[in-house]
Amino acid sequence: GENVEQHPSTLSVQEGDSAVIKCTYSDSASNYFPWYKQELGKGPQLIIDIRSNVGEKKDQRIAVTLNKTAKHFSLHITETQPEDSAVYFCAESGAGSYQLTFGKGTKLSVIP
Amino acid sequence: DSGVTQTPKHLITATGQRVTLRCSPRSGDLSVYWYQQSLDQGLQFLIQYYNGEERAKGNILERFSAQQFPDLHSELNLSSLELGDSALYFCASSVRGQGNQETQYFGPGTRLLVL
Repeated sequence: GENVEQHPSTLSVQEGDSAVIKCTYSDSASNYFPWYKQELGKGPQLIIDIRSNVGEKKDQRIAVTLNKTAKHFSLHITETQPEDSAVYFCAESGAGSYQLTFGKGTKLSVIP
Repeated sequence: DSGVTQTPKHLITATGQRVTLRCSPRSGDLSVYWYQQSLDQGLQFLIQYYNGEERAKGNILERFSAQQFPDLHSELNLSSLELGDSALYFCASSVRGQGNQETQYFGPGTRLLVL
């Protein structure tokens, strides 16, 4: 992968509302799209990932959608809780290449 | 806890010096990745090792080098340090790092401050 754009850079939501973070990528060979959550002073933690043969994946309150034609993928968090507050990073990698190319991150604040 | 360990947690040194960062991958993981996280550049891939051999290189400076030992732990060596090298350095590991894409599990990082 070469370039990943992530928006927004900051996001504030009320507790219980939904949060959506979007990423676009440029490399049509990209086929793996993980999302990581990073809390202050900690390393990135995988929260969900999707591969190019799947359009959507859900895990409890978290879902990811992928549109390969438009080259974008999104993270959806429903029923947000204060402990969801963190920086979220999207990433991608392509066939035969295992290094991850990351977006710049989104700082999510969930207001109680 | 991801199972990936990194030492030291913090490192303060002076310009021109050399430091070594250490990473132990999760038990059974053969592949180790090093990433640098800075405020201006974000998270950037530096280098990957698989079972002792270099597999891929990213935006790694010539002053930086790495290796993976027979017990699979890895070390990242940073030399002739500059102020701009101050950053968080993360190690990640995965089972294979080849074939189908795999989850990369990140360690807690080493925070390097160059004064």
